[in-house]
Amino acid sequence: AQKVTQAQTEISVVEKEDVTLDCVYETRDTTYYLFWYKQPPSGELVFLIRRNSFDEQNEISGRYSWNFQKSTSSFNFTITASQVVDSAVYFCALFNDYKLSFGAGTTVTVRA
Amino acid sequence: DTGVSQDPRHKITKRGQNVTFRCDPISEHNRLYWYRQTLGQGPEFLTYFQNEAQLEKSRLLSDRFSAERPKGSFSTLEIQRTEQGDSAMYLCASSSGGDRAPYEQYFGPGTRLTVT
Repeated sequence: AQKVTQAQTEISVVEKEDVTLDCVYETRDTTYYLFWYKQPPSGELVFLIRRNSFDEQNEISGRYSWNFQKSTSSFNFTITASQVVDSAVYFCALFNDYKLSFGAGTTVTVRA
Repeated sequence: DTGVSQDPRHKITKRGQNVTFRCDPISEHNRLYWYRQTLGQGPEFLTYFQNEAQLEKSRLLSDRFSAERPKGSFSTLEIQRTEQGDSAMYLCASSSGGDRAPYEQYFGPGTRLTVT
């Protein structure tokens, strides 16, 4: 069985602060893919980043960065210098075989 | 490039009525997925099509739910005898097959169902 846990329900920050979102996953598979999606108030899920299980290199893409640690089954996501437009619900997801398994989401509120 | 579209965007219905939602995937995508998202939760997988074949159904998909993809293009999701517990956002996604990784799922805007 696959499971994704996002322990943080809500995070509130002031603009320009960094935000780190935690994600812990469970899977028995050796090959899998991990994702972060953003869901703004409009409701459409927007793909942000993807990482496969055999590449633990951490990267930075613009204001987004991620920390993938296979040993602890964690895939954390950081928004640097947050902006009001970053306010949304963020989902961590695990892909295996044919489907995505999502966490419950973390609501991020960035105040001006 | 046209993304995934869903119709209607919102649906309000009375308990016991039947409803049908439509999803038009990205044109070259042969894989199509339905997910359901309730308030405060992440999306949950419902069913998956490869071309016109329905290859997997979640146990969440009770016998009141039926999905079709008759010509391997658009898909419909029908809920019969709706219940208040069916109130949710129904999301459709599509991805390409073949050599492209099927995990690249592109989501539509969703259909929000409210059962009164």
